Amino acid sequence: NAGVTQTPKFRVLKTGQSMTLLCAQDMNHEYMYWYRQDPGMGLRLIHYSVGEGTTAKGEVPDGYNVSRLKKQNFLLGLESAAPSQTSVYFCASSWDFSGANVLTFGAGSRLTVL
Amino acid sequence: KNQVEQSPQSLIILEGKNCTLQCNYTVSPFSNLRWYKQDTGRGPVSLTIMTFSENTKSNGRYTATLDADTKQSSLHITASQLSDSASYICVVSDTGGGNKLTFGTGTQLKVEL
Repeated sequence: NAGVTQTPKFRVLKTGQSMTLLCAQDMNHEYMYWYRQDPGMGLRLIHYSVGEGTTAKGEVPDGYNVSRLKKQNFLLGLESAAPSQTSVYFCASSWDFSGANVLTFGAGSRLTVL
Repeated sequence: KNQVEQSPQSLIILEGKNCTLQCNYTVSPFSNLRWYKQDTGRGPVSLTIMTFSENTKSNGRYTATLDADTKQSSLHITASQLSDSASYICVVSDTGGGNKLTFGTGTQLKVEL
């Protein structure tokens, strides 16, 4: 099984450009998440989804949009990239949404905004 | 505000030696604590998960302990191997659901020959 696959793995953008990160999971998980990881900080939740067609804001949602049109896919969009969005982005999924959910993470997407 | 603090920030040990990583948390109400291993350039992978009633949980050479009274956890690695070189992240969940995880900043472990 591939698990959670993120594309692209690396991307460089100029300020103001837009882009979309794609996350795909083949485990039939109901719940999906987008996190960002910055040096010296723990992972922070951007947006999450509790099922196909649903999205919700996490801790740091500003400047990002998401969509979950299909159960297996969760897209993260940046409409107008800013240098502060330079980060490593991780998608994760889980079969459970309780506090005991075990997240399966993708390998990450490194984004640099110049 | 919920917080998770890990120590040390980084650690270098010789192959074959043991080490212990620490995690202190101020998360309320507490649901569970998990340890993840993150290899360079990869996503975190779950090692252990412990609820309030569990004091110890093992996964091969990894043993996690939890003291819910003092709000401390430790991850002990026995007979370290080069492949143990990674960042180890402590994550604490409150009872609010899957979107209520608080991540520590991790301990960067390097195992050398």
